[in-house]
Amino acid sequence: EDQVTQSPEALRLQEGESSSLNCSYTVSGLRGLFWYRQDPGKGPEFLFTLYSAGEEKEKERLKATLTKKESFLHITAPKPEDSATYLCAVQDHFGNEKLTFGTGTRLTIIP
Amino acid sequence: DAGVTQSPTHLIKTRGQQVTLRCSPKSGHDTVSWYQQALGQGPQFIFQYYEEEERQRGNFPDRFSGHQFPNYSSELNVNALLLGDSALYLCASSLGDRGTDYGYTFGSGTRLTVV
Repeated sequence: EDQVTQSPEALRLQEGESSSLNCSYTVSGLRGLFWYRQDPGKGPEFLFTLYSAGEEKEKERLKATLTKKESFLHITAPKPEDSATYLCAVQDHFGNEKLTFGTGTRLTIIP
Repeated sequence: DAGVTQSPTHLIKTRGQQVTLRCSPKSGHDTVSWYQQALGQGPQFIFQYYEEEERQRGNFPDRFSGHQFPNYSSELNVNALLLGDSALYLCASSLGDRGTDYGYTFGSGTRLTVV
């Protein structure tokens, strides 16, 4: 069964203080690893899909990387509007459409 | 371009009752998935509908059932509600099997409270 573990559970940073969020995963044949952002009271918002080890994707201050066992979401010089819960999810190859999510990292950026 | 629309936004039900939640997918999308998100947890997959049929189901009891209509909208029904069914219910849409590449679009959810 696919499993996703995210750390830390919560992270508080000063504005401009860069850091990384971790997503460790176990999957029988990775089809895709996803990063989503979720604001309070809202549904998850798609950020990236990564497919294979060594792949990197960037969007504004966010950069996602992938190895065979984990993914990192690097946040460079964050702003208060980057405060949200960041969710990692995996999808496997065996005809499965479901996403298996971790519990998320709650990120707070202090002005 | 309207995103995924879910109704109602909030709902309070009594244990043992039945509930129906509704979802209209993003324009151009034909596939709908439902997720349950308990407080402080990640979303858990309930099932997915494509071409009006259940394509895949997660580890949820038969009390959870669904339907997809010809216009691609969908309903989630939960019978014999339990206190543990209290959660945010999310609907996600995609086009065919392209959700992996283009991301699944989520609605803002229905907050269900069972008392």
